[in-house]
Amino acid sequence: DAKTTQPPSMDCAEGRAANLPCNHSTISGNEYVYWYRQIHSQGPQYIIHGLKNNETNEMASLIITEDRKSSTLILPHATLRDTAVYYCIVMNNNAGNMLTFGGGTRLMVKP
Amino acid sequence: DAGVIQSPRHEVTEMGQEVTLRCKLISGHNSLFWYRQTMMRGLELLIYFNNNVPIDDSGMPEDRFSAKMPNASFSTLKIQPSEPRDSAVYFCASSPTGVSPLHFGNGTRLTVT
Repeated sequence: DAKTTQPPSMDCAEGRAANLPCNHSTISGNEYVYWYRQIHSQGPQYIIHGLKNNETNEMASLIITEDRKSSTLILPHATLRDTAVYYCIVMNNNAGNMLTFGGGTRLMVKP
Repeated sequence: DAGVIQSPRHEVTEMGQEVTLRCKLISGHNSLFWYRQTMMRGLELLIYFNNNVPIDDSGMPEDRFSAKMPNASFSTLKIQPSEPRDSAVYFCASSPTGVSPLHFGNGTRLTVT
């Protein structure tokens, strides 16, 4: 599976949009981009995933560049409860769903 | 749905003792994953089952670790004998098919003294 690069930490003001970037320049054509987050003392939580089209659900939006070498997770109105470590993972769907977690981005939402 | 249920939430044991961690999958899910999380190494996949059969155990650290699925809804991860370096948070996760998002439990924090 392709490796990902994320900034180790970011801050965001409560109520503002949080834009979390992820680079995956070695992504191949059959690899999806997945985002999970881990709130302190909890297990990771699925947020969203996509292949090449932008995706939106009740939690977030995922914007994937046309060349698929990078993506951005957008939390449109961040709340204090969105403070967590956010993981961007690239995975081949033939890999049996075995996720490989990197270091992620620690997002701190501040009042 | 209660989600993935892990027990115990916390386990403190002495070096050399046997430790058994338990996981109840979400009903209808047929894939099961055990992960370990430490500050130094982050989240590591230990083993993956599909339909009760171990598919990939390349992440299992050594022979002291073993995992089983005695039935479709339950799994155990056993460490025998335990060592201080096994101290970590152990997560299990399940999914309905091989390519669906994973649902994680809240983990078991293991401390081996």
